[in-house]
Amino acid sequence: EAGVAQSPRYKIIEKRQSVAFWCNPISGHATLYWYQQILGQGPKLLIQFQNNGVVDDSQLPKDRFSAERLKGVDSTLKIQPAKLEDSAVYLCASIVGRGGDTQYFGPGTRLTVL
Amino acid sequence: GENVEQHPSTLSVQEGDSAVIKCTYSDSASNYFPWYKQELGKRPQLIIDIRSNVGEKKDQRIAVTLNKTAKHFSLHITETQPEDSAVYFCAASKTDKLIFGTGTRLQVFP
Repeated sequence: EAGVAQSPRYKIIEKRQSVAFWCNPISGHATLYWYQQILGQGPKLLIQFQNNGVVDDSQLPKDRFSAERLKGVDSTLKIQPAKLEDSAVYLCASIVGRGGDTQYFGPGTRLTVL
Repeated sequence: GENVEQHPSTLSVQEGDSAVIKCTYSDSASNYFPWYKQELGKRPQLIIDIRSNVGEKKDQRIAVTLNKTAKHFSLHITETQPEDSAVYFCAASKTDKLIFGTGTRLQVFP
């Protein structure tokens, strides 16, 4: 089966600019996650969707980050405006349902904020 | 909330030796414990997982043990090979939200 797709793979922006990332989960996977992975750390959950609804966004910095999954399939994550500390890899993952299913990760988008 | 600690942060072994990575978790309700391998510049990939109803699981050279009483679990890699070199992450979950450890960089020297 096709894996989780993400684009772009790399992005370099100046601070205070805006950026958007796209994720297409594995077909049929109802739950989608966005993670932030800072260099040398483990992935940190930003937001979780179940179909097109938000399940958990408690760790999302809502003053600058937003995410949507309008049709319950692909999703976009936006940062506006970006800060230097947003430099990280943004990973998207998906699972079939809920509760202990294997999470499949996309290749990630490496964001560098200058 | 759940907190996962992982040790060591770096581990160097000679090819053929064994490697052990340990994680502790704080939430006794956690019941799913996966291990991911992440090679440089690549996505995390699941290598093995264990659920709280078993104490040990093995898959060829890789095994995971779980001690629910002590709230810790470990990854064991035997007969290490250079291609095992990567960063390994443990995680814990009680629902469908994974909390990751900080990672262990394993280097296997030929």
